[in-house]
Amino acid sequence: AQKITQTQPGMFVQEKEAVTLDCTYDTSDPSYGLFWYKQPSSGEMIFLIYQGSYDQQNATEGRYSLNFQKARKSANLVISASQLGDSAMYFCAMREGKGSSNTGKLIFGQGTTLQVKP
Amino acid sequence: GAGVSQTPSNKVTEKGKYVELRCDPISGHTALYWYRQSLGQGPEFLIYFQGTGAADDSGLPNDRFFAVRPEGSVSTLKIQRTERGDSAVYLCASSATDRGRDTQYFGPGTRLTVL
Repeated sequence: AQKITQTQPGMFVQEKEAVTLDCTYDTSDPSYGLFWYKQPSSGEMIFLIYQGSYDQQNATEGRYSLNFQKARKSANLVISASQLGDSAMYFCAMREGKGSSNTGKLIFGQGTTLQVKP
Repeated sequence: GAGVSQTPSNKVTEKGKYVELRCDPISGHTALYWYRQSLGQGPEFLIYFQGTGAADDSGLPNDRFFAVRPEGSVSTLKIQRTERGDSAVYLCASSATDRGRDTQYFGPGTRLTVL
């Protein structure tokens, strides 16, 4: 069973508008972490934002925010005021817990390609 | 400071040959991870090290793949008897520890092409 699902293979957004990239996950572990990465055409994976399963508030990092809905097992990335440089592939990833902490490997979704139009 | 570096950036080899891919993590990072990314897909976990030991090698596809990190810093991913299906981008990442919210920082990857 797929643990991370990104249902939008491709998205378009107008420059300066906001866009939401969807991510749902599947885990039975109460402790986990959710990450979003950006991968431009150059290929390097760039960390954007992190949400822990026990975090009380939704994570924010500059123009990035995470809409975390624990009961629905969704962790959507919201990018505000889109810029041309935001055009890239975006990956949602999960790190599962072992007991009281989450450790180790990341499990990635299939990714969403975002194109920002001028 | 310096990020994660990987060498070579590109490697072309023939089917059946042996290859080594090198990863130099961020200084002081104790956890090091290897992933493989096929075209249009998300990265797939291969193996990770905490210090010198392999903490989880559950992602290695078969016994042709092996990785070492003898001094707890640089790591080498070794692939024996390469097959065309091994062609992919091999990504290395490191993090301060392997716990909690510690971010994994990725290198630029090695693009392996098996002819």
